[in-house]
This record gives sequence, C-alpha cells and structure tokens, in this order.
Amino acid sequence: EVQLVESGGDLVQPGGSLRLSCAASGFTFNRHWMSWVRQAPGKGLEWVANIVQGGGEKYYVDSVKGRFTISRDNAKNSLFLQMSSLRVEDTAVYFCARGMCTSTNCYAAGLDVWGQGTVVTVSS
Amino acid sequence: DIQMTQSPSSLSASVGDRVTITCRASQGISKYLAWFQQKPGKAPKSLIYDTSISQSGVPSKFSGSGSGTDFTLTISSLQPEDFATYYCQQYYTYPITFGQGTRLEIK
Repeated sequence: EVQLVESGGDLVQPGGSLRLSCAASGFTFNRHWMSWVRQAPGKGLEWVANIVQGGGEKYYVDSVKGRFTISRDNAKNSLFLQMSSLRVEDTAVYFCARGMCTSTNCYAAGLDVWGQGTVVTVSS
Repeated sequence: DIQMTQSPSSLSASVGDRVTITCRASQGISKYLAWFQQKPGKAPKSLIYDTSISQSGVPSKFSGSGSGTDFTLTISSLQPEDFATYYCQQYYTYPITFGQGTRLEIK
C-alpha cells in the first residue's frame, strides 16, 4: 500500500524549533519529488516547500525562507522539515505529499499521495 | 506571486445537481492547474492535474477545463460523498499557490 506517515508535530513556544518527518512506503521514494503543505486552523491549503528526487533542488514559500529546511534521506525513504524561529502563524497541520510520476516522467506537482498530517502548535 | 481566486467561496446544491467551480489566476499559467477535494479532518485528495487530466481512480463525474487564466471544475450528478471543499492550485511557477477553497454544501 502506498503510504505517507508524518510525525514530529508538537506544541512549541515562539522562537523554538521542531523537526517533522514523513515516512514513505509502498513506492519507489527516490523517483518522486516531495512536498510539504500546511493548513492553519480553519484556513485553506498553503504550499510550504518541495525537494527534487536527489535533494539538490529545493524551493520554499517566502514566509518560511531562512527558517525552514526541507531534506530527504532516500536510503530511509524519509522526508524531513526542519523548522526554526517558529512563529504563532506557523501553527497548522503539516502534510507531506508526493509529486506524481507517469510512465515516462516525474513532476514536482500533481500531488497524488498525501499523508494524514501532523499538528504543529506555536504558542506561549 | 500568482494569486488564485476561486468562485464561489461557498455553494449549496442538491444531490443529483451539476455544479461548476471557477478558478482565476492573476496571470497566465498555461495548463498548469490542479484540483483537490478535501473533507473535514482529512488530507486533500488529488482529482485533476494539467487542467483536465484525471488522477487514476477519480470518477468521470469530475472534469476540468480552461487555459491561461480561467479554469473550471465541473462535478456532475452530485452524490452525498461529493460534498466537501475544493481547491485549485497553480504550479506554473514558484511559489506554488492554492485558491482559497470552495465549500460545497448540501442544500
């Protein structure tokens, strides 16, 4: 079964740090771009970051640049999001999602598989 | 950044109805638009990518069209399980951006 399972969400004080993980199974992880998408309470979806198959390209939304780092360990089929200098406005459910692959190409977008999400709460 | 604006923000419809949701981009995005469905407390589900290509397993009742800046998602013959929030997403350029969502409710 194709699956993504996030972990690492927690309650953290403003200015603190947190590392989210996403464990992938049931597919060839190193073929796919991977993304983090978040959803603040009662709000819509916000793309946060993504990373190319080999880890050499990374992109971020402006609001997290310099504070968040996306990374992956293909040997362990895992995706990570290191979050630092956390702000109240970073409070959200964080989802990891897989970029789709067709028979011939793999894409950064077309997020076809999602995890169930992990909750990050930034509050004093 | 490219702004994605969905209309309407909410929509009431009955079982069996056909509905259309519109998504407008603040600049041209070619065909690089996706649609997602999200139910309360659940992860989003991918419905359509590249404007009109359905993801595997998505019922044919969901169809997408458009190009440039104006796009639509049409859902035919609504069933109870279709009542959810729908999001469009552009991936023409970074940062990838979503619309604000359209909440589809039962009338």
